[in-house]
Amino acid sequence: QQQVKQSPQSLIVQKGGISIINCAYENTAFDYFPWYQQFPGKGPALLIAIRPDVSEKKEGRFTISFNKSAKQFSLHIMDSQPGDSATYFCAAREGKLTFGQGTILTVHP
Amino acid sequence: EAGVAQSPRYKIIEKRQSVAFWCNPISGHATLYWYQQILGQGPKLLIQFQNNGVVDDSQLPKDRFSAERLKGVDSTLKIQPAKLEDSAVYLCASSSSRQGSSYEQYFGPGTRLTVT
Repeated sequence: QQQVKQSPQSLIVQKGGISIINCAYENTAFDYFPWYQQFPGKGPALLIAIRPDVSEKKEGRFTISFNKSAKQFSLHIMDSQPGDSATYFCAAREGKLTFGQGTILTVHP
Repeated sequence: EAGVAQSPRYKIIEKRQSVAFWCNPISGHATLYWYQQILGQGPKLLIQFQNNGVVDDSQLPKDRFSAERLKGVDSTLKIQPAKLEDSAVYLCASSSSRQGSSYEQYFGPGTRLTVT
């Protein structure tokens, strides 16, 4: 089964700090790597996404770093805010999306 | 633009009973997905429709799960009979298939199923 391994399972950060979530994959046929944010009682919502021909993508406080040779990608949240507290999922696509296990982020004020 | 609608939001049933979930995708979205999200895990694709045809149902437990998308718009997912391990949130998502679109999937709020 194709897998995307995500770490850590949970993360606690102080307001203003940097949150970093990592994902690793094995399937080199994956062609699209999105990150989703999910609040309790809501469905996941696309946060930011990257294609494997790009090493970094930044949108506001959110940055994806992509290392094709290591088959790893990560989400960095700069200046983390309490409103960022949510569950974050990485995913990878080969036709269909395969999701990581999720990271519960808590940002303390 | 209205989002993906799902109903019911919550359902509690006993094992061996049947249950059905309904999804109305974003208007004009040709692709519809049903995911199962078990507590503490990421969503797992159950079935993908392109208009009213099935694209991928490789992870759908076909002995008890069925889904249909009549007329290529809304969709229903049915479980019969339910097992305890079916307790999960069932998410519906849709995406546009127009050329040049980002193929971004938009998720509904989900239906939380508890099987007792």
